[in-house]
Amino acid sequence: GENVEQHPSTLSVQEGDSAVIKCTYSDSASNYFPWYKQELGKGPQLIIDIRSNVGEKKDQRIAVTLNKTAKHFSLHITETQPEDSAVYFCAASIRGDMRFGAGTRLTVKP
Amino acid sequence: DTAVSQTPKYLVTQMGNDKSIKCEQNLGHDTMYWYKQDSKKFLKIMFSYNNKELIINETVPNRFSPKSPDKAHLNLHINSLELGDSAVYFCASSHLYRGVYEQYFGPGTRLTVT
Repeated sequence: GENVEQHPSTLSVQEGDSAVIKCTYSDSASNYFPWYKQELGKGPQLIIDIRSNVGEKKDQRIAVTLNKTAKHFSLHITETQPEDSAVYFCAASIRGDMRFGAGTRLTVKP
Repeated sequence: DTAVSQTPKYLVTQMGNDKSIKCEQNLGHDTMYWYKQDSKKFLKIMFSYNNKELIINETVPNRFSPKSPDKAHLNLHINSLELGDSAVYFCASSHLYRGVYEQYFGPGTRLTVT
């Protein structure tokens, strides 16, 4: 089955700096790669996603890249703000069967 | 106008008891899921239902039984609760959109077994 690895497990940055989280997946049949943000006491919230036929997607300060050949994808957050502090999860999906990375705890220091 | 809702938000119970968690979505999605999130935040899928039919059933003890009375509801019943069942349980729903299944999560139910 699909196996998703995510790095780093914790990331601390200064406000205004960029943050990058990387994931790899094992099953080349995966065709959908969402990213979720989970704040304390809340459920994971879909913040951006990328499909297998796209290499890059950007939404304001957030961007995702996908390298299908290498089977890895990344989340880039620019100009980080304290409210970006949360746990971020990557996932890889085949026909709705979604497998998650172990999560990255991002702390943005003011 | 909550999209995916779960009740209760917190559940504290003793070992050996039987409990249920309810989930409802008003998004019109065909597929619903249950996930377990352990203390290390790892999200693991447990079950998935599509139009009331079980389509994913991971290696979960048979003390856990999902029930889908209709496609807007997926409830989770747990028999003979054990200490190791303590976790946060998330319900999610998804729909097929441009060839992929976008998934949306509920707020979670924190289960504590004492």
